[in-house]
Amino acid sequence: EVQLVESGGGLVQPGGSLRLSCAASGFTFNNYAMTWVRQVPGKGLEWVSTISDSGATTYYPDSVKGRFTVSRDNSKNTLYLQMDRLRADDTAVYYCSKDWDSSGPNWSDPWGQGTLVTVSP
Amino acid sequence: DIQMAQSPASLSASVGDRVNITCRASQSISTYLNWYQQSPGKAPRLLIYAAFSLQSGVPSRFSGSGVGIDFALTISSLKPEDFATYYCQQTYTTPLTFGGGTTVEIK
Repeated sequence: EVQLVESGGGLVQPGGSLRLSCAASGFTFNNYAMTWVRQVPGKGLEWVSTISDSGATTYYPDSVKGRFTVSRDNSKNTLYLQMDRLRADDTAVYYCSKDWDSSGPNWSDPWGQGTLVTVSP
Repeated sequence: DIQMAQSPASLSASVGDRVNITCRASQSISTYLNWYQQSPGKAPRLLIYAAFSLQSGVPSRFSGSGVGIDFALTISSLKPEDFATYYCQQTYTTPLTFGGGTTVEIK
């Protein structure tokens, strides 16, 4: 069974940094692209980043480009999201998900349970 | 960026009803359209990918249609577990974008 478990969320001050992790199991991690999506509580979904299977290619929307960095350690079956220069509007639940194929970005399934990031003084 | 407009934003329906949710893209996206279901307090779950392909394990009462700009998700006969929020997503180009969601509530 595919499992994705996010961790690393919490309260951080504006301008601060946080690193999220996503531990993957139940599939050959280095064969799939991986994606981060966030959701402000009670609101809709926003795509945050995708990384290819090898980590060689990454994708971001303008809202996080230059502040967030996605990476992966295929030896540890773990996906990361380094978030710098955090702003109040980055407050959200962050989900990691497994892409359909190796290159991404594409549809994702399954998703982890999410980790809450709160940016506040 | 490609904008995805879902309608309605919410609807009330009864168990056994047929439900249609629509999604319109701001430009043609071929069949690069996916549908997700999110139950309260849960992560989203993929239902339909590439406009009309049913994800493994998803009941056949769910179906997708459309190409180009206009798409639809149909639930042929609502079950109690189908009361949730549904999102469309385009994966034609980055940035990937989602519709605003449609909440299906119990009448």
